[in-house]
Amino acid sequence: SYVLTQPPSVSVAPGQTARITCGGNNIGSKSVHWYQQKPGQAPVLVVYDDSDRPSGIPERFSGSNSGNTATLTISRVEAGDEADYYCQVWDSSSDQWVFGGGTKLTVL
Amino acid sequence: QVQLVQSGAEVKKPGASVKVSCKASGYTFTSYGISWVRQAPGQGLEWMGWISAYNGNTNYAQKLQGRVTMTTDTSTSTAYMELRSLRSDDTAVYYCARVDDSSGCFDYWGQGTLVTVSS
Repeated sequence: SYVLTQPPSVSVAPGQTARITCGGNNIGSKSVHWYQQKPGQAPVLVVYDDSDRPSGIPERFSGSNSGNTATLTISRVEAGDEADYYCQVWDSSSDQWVFGGGTKLTVL
Repeated sequence: QVQLVQSGAEVKKPGASVKVSCKASGYTFTSYGISWVRQAPGQGLEWMGWISAYNGNTNYAQKLQGRVTMTTDTSTSTAYMELRSLRSDDTAVYYCARVDDSSGCFDYWGQGTLVTVSS
């Protein structure tokens, strides 16, 4: 089955840029979605179809996808961005949705 | 506004079954699918399966085939997920999520239901 690989943790100072990667075989050919999950809360969609933002999500959140790596970029990081972030794709070969293992973003 | 409201926490013994509900509002229920996702304590998200609210077609995660059944009741705009033969490693928070079929993303989520399996 298709595997998505994320770094377990990323740390960044307030005001800086955080980049969270999601690796997968030829992931650039798939649509990648990103979710933010704060402790005790349900996940929230922050980027869909590689780089689109749902209404209400700040422009500071952006995404890209090429080759074997998709990236969620959070600009001008704020303390409130501290959360777990998950990438997700649809794997057409197995007809299954797949999540990455998640990345904990720490704001220093 | 779109809302998915799930049923309350459950405690079950090993070998029992659990049925979690997810009541949708704020949109046309039959125009979107519903997926179920679970999260064991301290772990990541695990996709469990999907059901079309339009025609009831289902697609289950291979790992759960034979133990899970997803259904909908269009008269009440409610989706259900039943998991049978519960084991301790089924202890998790279970989420329902609306699926945007055009993109495949999960655009709205329920608040989660904690299912604890313990003897």
